[in-house]
Amino acid sequence: EVQLVESGGGLVQPGGSLRLSCAASGFTFSSYAMHWVRQAPGKGLEYVSAISSNGGSTYYANSVKGRFTISRDNSKNTLYLQMGSLRAEDMAVYYCARGMNYDILTGFDYWGQGTLVTVSS
Amino acid sequence: DIQMTQSPSSLSASVGDRVTITCQASQDISNYLNWYQQKPGKAPKLLIYDASNLETGVPSRFSGSGSGTDFTFTISSLQPEDIATYYCQQYDNLPPFFGPGTKVDIK
Repeated sequence: EVQLVESGGGLVQPGGSLRLSCAASGFTFSSYAMHWVRQAPGKGLEYVSAISSNGGSTYYANSVKGRFTISRDNSKNTLYLQMGSLRAEDMAVYYCARGMNYDILTGFDYWGQGTLVTVSS
Repeated sequence: DIQMTQSPSSLSASVGDRVTITCQASQDISNYLNWYQQKPGKAPKLLIYDASNLETGVPSRFSGSGSGTDFTFTISSLQPEDIATYYCQQYDNLPPFFGPGTKVDIK
């Protein structure tokens, strides 16, 4: 059974940093692109970032480019999102999602349960 | 960037009703479109991929059609457990934007 479990969310001050993790199991992690999608309270889904199966390709939404870094450790079956210079508008539930193949340009077939990031002083 | 629009933004229907949601892309995306269901407090779930293919395990009352710029998602007979927000998503070009969502309620 495919499982994606996010962790690392919490309360952070504006300008602060946070690292999210997504532990994957039930599939060959190194064969799939992985993604981060966020959802602000009461709002729709916003695409954040992607990384290809081998980590060679990454993509960032304009809203997070230069502040967030996506990475993965295929030996640990774990996806990461390092978030810096956090702003109030970054407050959201962050979901990791599995791409439907190795490439970053795909839909998503499995999602984690999400981790909440709160940005407030 | 390819922008996605959905209509309606919300709807109320009776159990057993046929429900239709439309999604429009700002440019041709072929059939690179998914439909997701998100129940309150839960993660999204893939229902339809490549515009018209039913994901494994998804009830057959859900269906999708379309190509190019215009797409349709249908629930043939609305059930109480279908109360959710439905999102379309294109993956023809980066970023793979989502539509704004359609909230479906029971009348």
